[in-house]
Amino acid sequence: DGGITQSPKYLFRKEGQNVTLSCEQNLNHDAMYWYRQDPGQGLRLIYYSQIVNDFQKGDIAEGYSVSREKKESFPLTVTSAQKNPTAFYLCASSIPPLNTEAFFGQGTRLTVV
Amino acid sequence: DQQVKQNSPSLSVQEGRISILNCDYTNSMFDYFLWYKKYPAEGPTFLISISSIKDKNEDGRFTVFLNKSAKHLSLHIVPSQPGDSAVYFCAASQGGGATNKLIFGTGTLLAVQP
Repeated sequence: DGGITQSPKYLFRKEGQNVTLSCEQNLNHDAMYWYRQDPGQGLRLIYYSQIVNDFQKGDIAEGYSVSREKKESFPLTVTSAQKNPTAFYLCASSIPPLNTEAFFGQGTRLTVV
Repeated sequence: DQQVKQNSPSLSVQEGRISILNCDYTNSMFDYFLWYKKYPAEGPTFLISISSIKDKNEDGRFTVFLNKSAKHLSLHIVPSQPGDSAVYFCAASQGGGATNKLIFGTGTLLAVQP
């Protein structure tokens, strides 16, 4: 079954700790994206990557970092510099250019206490 | 600056009636528009899309209308079913190039009453 997998579904971390969210896809898509969802604010783009070893900042990249060493994987690290890290994080992939549907993972709910 | 806006945070309709979800955009360079449906604690799933060269696209119970002069699009669901209850996101993209990305609206929560 082709798809995009995010793990874990729920994640708890103490304030000040870095945490890495996993995103893996077996759809052979070149492009991958990280979005954040907060109540009343829709989906906001954090980082995106159109090709392996290349990525671009989205609208809210501060406090986050990514890597794209493999086509299948696009992990997101939430660093201690992110002021409000508690949110629902969504990973997506697509075949660029993005005039076709993007496939989303099931999301990771990160709670920082 | 919100380039894609969904001004109605919620909508309630009766089963069997029509649901109309609206979306406005400000960037005239957007050339592709998509609607996604999202259940709580899940990722969005693609519903229907429309290119800027068209003004209507239909897929079963779902129809999307695009009015480029007004920079407005709408999603019609008819007849509405209780299983349609979810958050609906409008998204837009500017085709081609390395910076192509999806811009999402804030979503509209649709509740279909049995």
